[in-house]
Parts: sequence; C-alpha cells; structure tokens
Amino acid sequence: DGGITQSPKYLFRKEGQNVTLSCEQNLNHDAMYWYRQDPGQGLRLIYYSQIVNDFQKGDIAEGYSVSREKKESFPLTVTSAQKNPTAFYLCASSNRGRKETQYFGPGTRLLVL
Amino acid sequence: QKEVEQNSGPLSVPEGAIASLNCTYSDRGSQSFFWYRQYSGKSPELIMFIYSNGDKEDGRFTAQLNKASQYVSLLIRDSQPSDSATYLCASGGGGFKTIFGAGTRLFVKA
Repeated sequence: DGGITQSPKYLFRKEGQNVTLSCEQNLNHDAMYWYRQDPGQGLRLIYYSQIVNDFQKGDIAEGYSVSREKKESFPLTVTSAQKNPTAFYLCASSNRGRKETQYFGPGTRLLVL
Repeated sequence: QKEVEQNSGPLSVPEGAIASLNCTYSDRGSQSFFWYRQYSGKSPELIMFIYSNGDKEDGRFTAQLNKASQYVSLLIRDSQPSDSATYLCASGGGGFKTIFGAGTRLFVKA
C-alpha cells in the first residue's frame, strides 16, 4: 500500500531534550513538508523539501531542524530551543508542480513532561 | 502576508440538508485550491481539489471557485452525521507553499 507513515504516534519530551519525529513515504513524491497544528488552529509550515539534500525554512522554523538524505524520508528534530513544543505534528508529501496536492501522514502528538 | 480565511463555525445543519462551507484567499497568483476534512485527533484527508472557475462535483461534494472574487466554497449534499468534522480550505500554486485556512467546524445533527 502506498502512503505516508509517521512514528511514534505519541512522543514525550523532557525539558532540555532533543527529540526526532520520523516521516517516511512510498508514494515516490519529490516534495515533503512538516506542519505544526495547535488545538483549534490551522496548519503552520515548519520546513519543506522539494528534492533530496535540499530543504527550506517555513514560517516557524526556529527550534526545529530537518534532513533529507533520502527521497523517502524527512525526519524532524524538535530541539531544546523550541520552548513550546506541545502540538500535533503532521508530515505531508506531494509531487512537484504548480498544482501539487499534498497528502498527509497520521501525525505525531508531542507532549512535554 | 498570503492568507486563507474561513469562518471557524461551528456550522450546524440537520441530517439530509446541504452544508455550505466558504473560504476566501488573498493571493491572486494561487492556481490550485483544496478542501480537506479533518476528524478530531486525526490528520487531514483530501476531499477535493479545483483549478478552474466554476463547479466541480464528486459524489455528494461540490467545490466552487470564483477567481475574480477570490472565493472558494464546498457544498455537501445530503449531509450525514459522519460528515461532522473540521474542513480545511487551502490555496497553492504560488510556489511550493500551500496556505491553509484555520478550518470550519461542521456539526450534522441526526
């Protein structure tokens, strides 16, 4: 089955700790994205990548880092510099193009202990 | 600042009625428009996309686009309680950044 997987489903972070959220896709999509969603809010773009070994900051990149070493994978690290990390994190992917449609993974809920 | 605006709701309709969800966007360069449905605690799932002015129908769903007015809508016919969710409108095509609205909560009463 083609799709996007995210792990873990729930993640607990201790203060001062870096944590990494996994995102894998087997849709052969070139572009991948990370969004943050807070309760009752819309999606805010953290980082996006159009191609392997290249990525750009979104609207709220501070306190986050990413890598894109493989086409299928786009992990997100929430660093200790992110002071308010509690949120629902969504990974998405799409083909490249001006009418690209994004498809989402199931999400990771990050909670701070 | 490119924006997509939606009424947060909740929009409440009786079962079997037509639900009408609306959205406006600020970027005239947008070329593609999307409607996603998001159930509580779940990720968004694509319902429809539309690129051209006019109507596009898919089953009980109809998307409407008016580029002159920068307005997109989604009609859900014969609404069911299972349609109760938050509906996200999004615009794209001005690069690789799709802009999402905050969503409209729909509640279909049985």
